[in-house]
Amino acid sequence: GAVVSQHPSWVICKSGTSVKIECRSLDFQATTMFWYRQFPKQSLMLMATSNEGSKATYEQGVEKDKFLINHASLTLSTLTVTSAHPEDSSFYICSARDSLGLAGGLVTQYFGPGTRLTVL
Amino acid sequence: AQRVTQPEKLLSVFKGAPVELKCNYSYSGSPELFWYVQYSRQRLQLLLRHISRESIKGFTADLNKGETSFHLKKPFAQEEDSAMYYCALKGNSGNTPLVFGKGTRLSVIA
Repeated sequence: GAVVSQHPSWVICKSGTSVKIECRSLDFQATTMFWYRQFPKQSLMLMATSNEGSKATYEQGVEKDKFLINHASLTLSTLTVTSAHPEDSSFYICSARDSLGLAGGLVTQYFGPGTRLTVL
Repeated sequence: AQRVTQPEKLLSVFKGAPVELKCNYSYSGSPELFWYVQYSRQRLQLLLRHISRESIKGFTADLNKGETSFHLKKPFAQEEDSAMYYCALKGNSGNTPLVFGKGTRLSVIA
């Protein structure tokens, strides 16, 4: 089946530094990827929608200058947390939509394993 | 506005008992509804979608447009069903993202 990978799986950084998280669709093309954030014991909150070759669409309340998203190819999207602070510590999950409908012709959204970011 | 409501944070049932995880939604058009499951230390994965009208791992869910509900049911719970279950909605226009409910943790007791 379709697989979405994320790298790194966890990262610890100092306050003020920037962290880049990669999301790859391994065996399918994804014109659209999504970035979610999940706090402990809470649901996934959509941060932004990333479309290949164009600017990301951010949800209300998400700072686009702080969370830089680049979707340079059909299999790779990156999220860069710039000047990270402790309140940015969270679990970041990417998701890729299989535009060609591998699952019986239906468009399916696959999720990565997540990246745990801890900002000291 | 799109909204998905899962009223129960935690649901505990005995093995072999029936299970119903509730999900209500609000959307002005005709949405697509999904159930995703997250087992311990695993990624989120699709369980079923209303369009397919399928039964996966014994689970079924019927879209009730009148009640705007998409409850997940299984007649006999198994211990391996213990997981976090998320109901999700996708609008029917273009490449709209999935909107998730807060999730229900199902605990099946032996």
